[in-house]
Amino acid sequence: DQQVKQNSPSLSVQEGRISILNCDYTNSMFDYFLWYKKYPAEGPTFLISISSIKDKNEDGRFTVFLNKSAKHLSLHIVPSQPGDSAVYFCAASEGSNGGSNYKLTFGKGTLLTVNP
Amino acid sequence: DVKVTQSSRYLVKRTGEKVFLECVQDMDHENMFWYRQDPGLGLRLIYFSYDVKMKEKGDIPEGYSVSREKKERFSLILESASTNQTSMYLCASSLLVGLASYEQYFGPGTRLTVT
Repeated sequence: DQQVKQNSPSLSVQEGRISILNCDYTNSMFDYFLWYKKYPAEGPTFLISISSIKDKNEDGRFTVFLNKSAKHLSLHIVPSQPGDSAVYFCAASEGSNGGSNYKLTFGKGTLLTVNP
Repeated sequence: DVKVTQSSRYLVKRTGEKVFLECVQDMDHENMFWYRQDPGLGLRLIYFSYDVKMKEKGDIPEGYSVSREKKERFSLILESASTNQTSMYLCASSLLVGLASYEQYFGPGTRLTVT
C-alpha cells in the first residue's frame, strides 16, 4: 500500500514559468512533510519542508503548500530554471509517533525538466 | 559541512557473493538508514538504526542484514547477492530527536550490479 503518491512521473515546463509538483498521502499520522531533489548519480538533497501545523512554507523560489483535509501537498517553483531539472521526491514522517524514529516514507518521484 | 560517505560509487559482484556496503557520517547523528532506489519505485527503506547495535527492519529487509558497531558507521550486507538486488543503494543519517530529526542527509549512493 503506497502511503505517499506522486502521480505524475514527469513534468516539463519552460524556463521562467511556474513548476507545480504534486503529492498525495493516505496516512493521517504523518505530521511532517519534505521535498528532496535528486540529480543523476547523486544522493537526494533536502529542499524544503512543512509541519502539519502550517499550510505554507516559503524559501526563495520554492514554496510548499499543505492541504491537510485533502491530504495533499504541492511544491511550487517560481521562476523555474534549467538547473532545477531533476527528480523531486515527496517524503512524509510520523515523527516519533509509535516509535518510528523519524522514518521517512518517500513517493516514487517526479522528473522535472525545465526547457531553456 | 555535513557529510555522508559511501565506500564505493560503483560495484560489480557475481551472484552468490557476499557484499558489504559501508556508510560513514561525520555529523554525530544517531539515526542511520539504508535505502534502495529503483526506476519507477522511488526510495524504499531497507533497514535503519537509531543507536549503536540497534537496528529495525524497513519496508524491504529480505535478503539484507545490517551492522552498526560504531555510531558513525552503518554497514549493509547482502549475504548472497542476487540479480534482483542490482540497484542504487543510498545511505542517510539524521538526528534522533527534535524538529531537525526529520531531515535526512544522504550519501552519494552506490550503484551495485549483480551479474
